[in-house]
Amino acid sequence: QSVLTQPPSVSGTPGQRVTISCSGSSSNIGSNTVNWYQKFPGTAPKLLFYTNDKRPPGVPDRFSGSKSGTSASLAISGLQSEDEADYYCAAWDDSLNAGVFGGGTKLTVL
Amino acid sequence: EIQLVESGGGLVKPGGSLRLSCVVSGLPFSISSMSWARQVPGRGLEWVSSISSSTISKRYRDSVKGRFTISRDNARNSLYLQMSSLTVEDTAIYYCGREIRSSGRWEIDYWGQGTLVTVSS
Repeated sequence: QSVLTQPPSVSGTPGQRVTISCSGSSSNIGSNTVNWYQKFPGTAPKLLFYTNDKRPPGVPDRFSGSKSGTSASLAISGLQSEDEADYYCAAWDDSLNAGVFGGGTKLTVL
Repeated sequence: EIQLVESGGGLVKPGGSLRLSCVVSGLPFSISSMSWARQVPGRGLEWVSSISSSTISKRYRDSVKGRFTISRDNARNSLYLQMSSLTVEDTAIYYCGREIRSSGRWEIDYWGQGTLVTVSS
């Protein structure tokens, strides 16, 4: 069981807006920044957001990240078929003294 | 071009050992903290271990403490993970990555393509 909790799956149709939640605790999200990764099968994870809401160069602004208290969210607007992937949240956990990931959310574009 | 290339994965019997390597180019390796993470097939990502640029700080997830050792050779731009007393639960794709860690911030911003470790009798 992952330290950070994500829904196993979300889905949407092209053009829709979807959100993926990530729930943690005071020792991880509550006291540290959150990052998000996009992963396609058979490929390396790609950093999508760092420091809660900062996009690395090349990440479309259709993607947005946010954090409030011990939870974080990833939103994707104008959903496209190429967005179909697995998405992971992550943060450092001060109690575990370890990096922790969510269990991942599979996004399906219907 | 930034490249992280892992090698050393393979099939090993339970109780066996394996050494993973990661060669980095296009990044200032000697001043970068580095990490290993893994993905069990069909499951999510797990952070495994991190090492600071100076090697002063090394961290491990609880399940690998005492069995895995992270190291680096800044002259060779290389990161290593020595794995021993392997169990079937260690079967995964292992990724190396450049880690950013400071004042509550932690992320892996560049990742290799991964190397598969299979522990099976």
